[in-house]
Amino acid sequence: ETGVTQSPTHLIKTRGQQVTLRCSSQSGHNTVSWYQQALGQGPQFIFQYYREEENGRGNFPPRFSGLQFPNYSSELNVNALELDDSALYLCASKRDRREDTQYFGPGTRLTVL
Amino acid sequence: AQSVTQLGSHVSVSEGALVLLRCNYSSSVPPYLFWYVQYPNQGLQLLLKYTSAATLVKGINGFEAEFKKSETSFHLTKPSAHMSDAAEYFCAVKGNAGNMLTFGGGTRLMVKP
Repeated sequence: ETGVTQSPTHLIKTRGQQVTLRCSSQSGHNTVSWYQQALGQGPQFIFQYYREEENGRGNFPPRFSGLQFPNYSSELNVNALELDDSALYLCASKRDRREDTQYFGPGTRLTVL
Repeated sequence: AQSVTQLGSHVSVSEGALVLLRCNYSSSVPPYLFWYVQYPNQGLQLLLKYTSAATLVKGINGFEAEFKKSETSFHLTKPSAHMSDAAEYFCAVKGNAGNMLTFGGGTRLMVKP
């Protein structure tokens, strides 16, 4: 069983640019969540997708958007990048939206210069 | 709204000594509580979870945690630390009505030989 994978591993962007991060959920999982982990802090919930629809959102501005595809993989898009967007972005999947246990990927490290 | 406080951003123990990592939560609904571990340059791995069953929860790698409602605590313990336990540990809470996990700020465990 393949776990959660994320790409790219690392990314460097400049202020004002746009970025797309990708996540492949674990086999059999239909729910994907995204988290932002700033250096030295705990992860913060961005949003969750269930069966291709947004199913919950944290306190992040609209320039953070996402997609979930029919195979349940997901993208996180961030427009108009700011320096404070520099962080580790974690994707987590679970078998169903009502499940408690999420399985995390290794993350994408985004640096905004 | 739910929140989590982890007392002590850094904890240092000797190999073979007791590990105690503290977590206090605030929740308006009966909480589901989790402990995750994060090794350098990796995602989060679930250690254990409390979902309103037994108050003493046993997890992987010899860790356990006890849910104490009167103290709103869910401290993580391990009787004997091993060098491989050195990592960042996160406590998280999920409310019944919400999809998101709210994480604490994390505790970095260092194990001295």
